[in-house]
Amino acid sequence: ETGVTQSPTHLIKTRGQQVTLRCSSQSGHNTVSWYQQALGQGPQFIFQYYREEENGRGNFPPRFSGLQFPNYSSELNVNALELDDSALYLCASSSPADRGAGNTIYFGEGSWLTVV
Amino acid sequence: AQSVTQLGSHVSVSEGALVLLRCNYSSSVPPYLFWYVQYPNQGLQLLLKYTTGATLVKGINGFEAEFKKSETSFHLTKPSAHMSDAAEYFCAVSDTGRRALTFGSGTRLQVQP
Repeated sequence: ETGVTQSPTHLIKTRGQQVTLRCSSQSGHNTVSWYQQALGQGPQFIFQYYREEENGRGNFPPRFSGLQFPNYSSELNVNALELDDSALYLCASSSPADRGAGNTIYFGEGSWLTVV
Repeated sequence: AQSVTQLGSHVSVSEGALVLLRCNYSSSVPPYLFWYVQYPNQGLQLLLKYTTGATLVKGINGFEAEFKKSETSFHLTKPSAHMSDAAEYFCAVSDTGRRALTFGSGTRLQVQP
C-alpha cells in the first residue's frame, strides 16, 4: 500500500474522445509524475508536476496535458484518443523532503485505458 | 540521454535456485538506479535503489543489487527463489536533472516448483 490512489481503475473510450484520469498522491507529497505503460513494455515518463507547475515532460504530444491542484492531487487529460493510447497509466508521487533524483517514488495501481 | 537494457525478457528458475536479473544502463552523469517489481494487475513496488555510497544495495524480500560503474551494470540477485517472486521486474535510472525515471523493458520471472 503506497498511499497513491488512482481512478478509475478501468475504462473504455472510443477513438477521438477525451479522457481524464485522476490521482491522489501520498500525504505530504507535492511532486506527482505520470507514466504510460503499454502492454509488454516498461513505463514511459509523460510529465511531472511540482507545486502545481509542470516540471519536466517526456516525449509525448501536447494532447497529453495535466493539472495539479493545491492539495497536490493531479489529473491527466488525453484529447483526441488514438488506438495506441491504450495502456496502463501510472501516477507516482515523491517526498518534498528528498526531492533529488534519489528520492523514493511511490506508484499507484494505475488506470487501464482501452481505446476502441 | 539515459537508457536501460534488461537482458532477457523472460527468466525461469526453480524454487530455491539463484535469481539473477540483468540490467545495464547508459547515463552521461552519475546515475541513480532502481529496481521495481510489478505483480499482475498492480502498480510498481520499489525493491531497492542505489544513490551514492555502498555499491551493494539490499532491498526487500531478500533481493540485492550491486552497482558496477566499470561495467555500467546493476544486476538484481536473490540467493533462493520463492514461488511468490514470480512477477515482472523493471530496472530504472534517473539523473539529478529530470527527476524522471527511465525504465527498461522488463524481465518476467517465472519460478517453477
